[in-house]
Amino acid sequence: GAVVSQHPSWVICKSGTSVKIECRSLDFQATTMFWYRQFPKQSLMLMATSNEGSKATYEQGVEKDKFLINHASLTLSTLTVTSAHPEDSSFYICSARRAGGLYNEQFFGPGTRLTVL
Amino acid sequence: DQQVKQNSPSLSVQEGRISILNCDYTNSMFDYFLWYKKYPAEGPTFLISISSIKDKNEDGRFTVFLNKSAKHLSLHIVPSQPGDSAVYFCAATPSYQGGKLIFGQGTELSVKP
Repeated sequence: GAVVSQHPSWVICKSGTSVKIECRSLDFQATTMFWYRQFPKQSLMLMATSNEGSKATYEQGVEKDKFLINHASLTLSTLTVTSAHPEDSSFYICSARRAGGLYNEQFFGPGTRLTVL
Repeated sequence: DQQVKQNSPSLSVQEGRISILNCDYTNSMFDYFLWYKKYPAEGPTFLISISSIKDKNEDGRFTVFLNKSAKHLSLHIVPSQPGDSAVYFCAATPSYQGGKLIFGQGTELSVKP
């Protein structure tokens, strides 16, 4: 159990377009989902925390108007990179915390590789 | 401000030997620590964790040691196997921040046959 999927697994887009990445908890309900970003050979950096039915909480330095997060149901959160630019190219990973689960237990998705040309 | 640091970007170990991966942290409010294993182009998978009230936690070949006074933790893998080759991340979380994980930079472990 506790499987998290992401779609797409990779995407290439033109500069200026918007890209939506989906994160789904397949076999459990996730009250909280987290979005991370990883640059090559670097750490996973938390971008935002989203709770189902409420606005996401963004980390310092993350533009909320550029990285739109929606967590409309207990099994789905989406990250939309708006007006993408080459510097947004990165590996985006989501994680989910089970409803009623331990506060420190997160299950990670496989990640989405975004390349902006 | 890197609150969780893994100062060794890579480590190479012979199969059957012990692998020791190190992690240091600066925030004394961290009360839970985790180790994750990650393959390229995949998400991290949970390995083992330790609460700040303990100094050791063991699970099979994996043991995590915590030295609170030194703000240091380590992951021991014994015996190391080629399948252990991956990037290992340590992460820490303060309970008051709702489970937010702060990751280190990762250490790439290579176990040679």
